[in-house]
Amino acid sequence: DVQLVESGGGLVQPGGSLRLSCAASGFTFSRYWMQWVRQVPGKGLVWVSRIRTDGSTTMYADSVKGRLTISRDNAKNTLYLQMNSLTAEDTAIYYCARETVVQGNYYMDVWGTGTTVIVSS
Amino acid sequence: EIVMTQSPVTLSVSPGERATLSCRASQTISSDLAWYQQRPGQAPRLLIYGASTRATGIPASFSGSGSGTEFTLAISSLQSEDFAIYFCQQYHNWPLTFGGGTKVDIK
Repeated sequence: DVQLVESGGGLVQPGGSLRLSCAASGFTFSRYWMQWVRQVPGKGLVWVSRIRTDGSTTMYADSVKGRLTISRDNAKNTLYLQMNSLTAEDTAIYYCARETVVQGNYYMDVWGTGTTVIVSS
Repeated sequence: EIVMTQSPVTLSVSPGERATLSCRASQTISSDLAWYQQRPGQAPRLLIYGASTRATGIPASFSGSGSGTEFTLAISSLQSEDFAIYFCQQYHNWPLTFGGGTKVDIK
C-alpha cells in the first residue's frame, strides 16, 4: 500500500525547535516532489513547503521562510521538516503529501495521517 | 497570492439528496483546481483535479466543473460517508492556496 507516516510532533516552548519526519512506503519516493501542509484543528489547510525529487529545489510559504527547512533522504525514503524559532502560530497538525503531476495538473494524491505540533509555554 | 473563497460555509443536506458546493478564485486560474474531502479526524483525500477529472477510485457521484474563477463540486446522492468537509485548492500560482472549506452535514 502507498503510505506516508509522519512523526516527531509534540509540545515545544516558544522559540524552540522540532524536526518532523515523514516515512514513505509503497511507491518510488525519489521520483516525487513532496509537500508539507498544515492545519489548525477546526480550520483550513495551509501550504507550507515543497521539495524537488532530488532535494535541489525547495519552496516555502512566506510565513515560515527562514524558520522552517524542508529536506529529504531518498535512501531512507523519508521527508523532513526542521522547525526553528517556533511561535504559537505554528501550532497545527502537519501533513506530508505526495505531489503528482499529470498533464500540467499538480495535485496532492497521497497524504499522511498528520503529526501535531503544539507551541506553548 | 490567489485567494480561494468557498460557499456556503455549511451545507445541510438529507441523505440521498444532491449537494452543490462553490469555490471562487480571486483571479483566473484556468482549470488548475483540485477538490479534497476531509472526514473527521482524517487527512484530506483527493477527489478532483483539473477542475473536473476524478481521482483514482473516486465514485461517479462526485463531479467537478468550472474554469477561470468559478468552480463547482457536485455530489449527486449523498451517502453517510460523504458528510465531511470539502476544500478547493488552486495550483495555478505559488503559493498553493486552499479555500476555507464547506462542511456538508446531515439535515
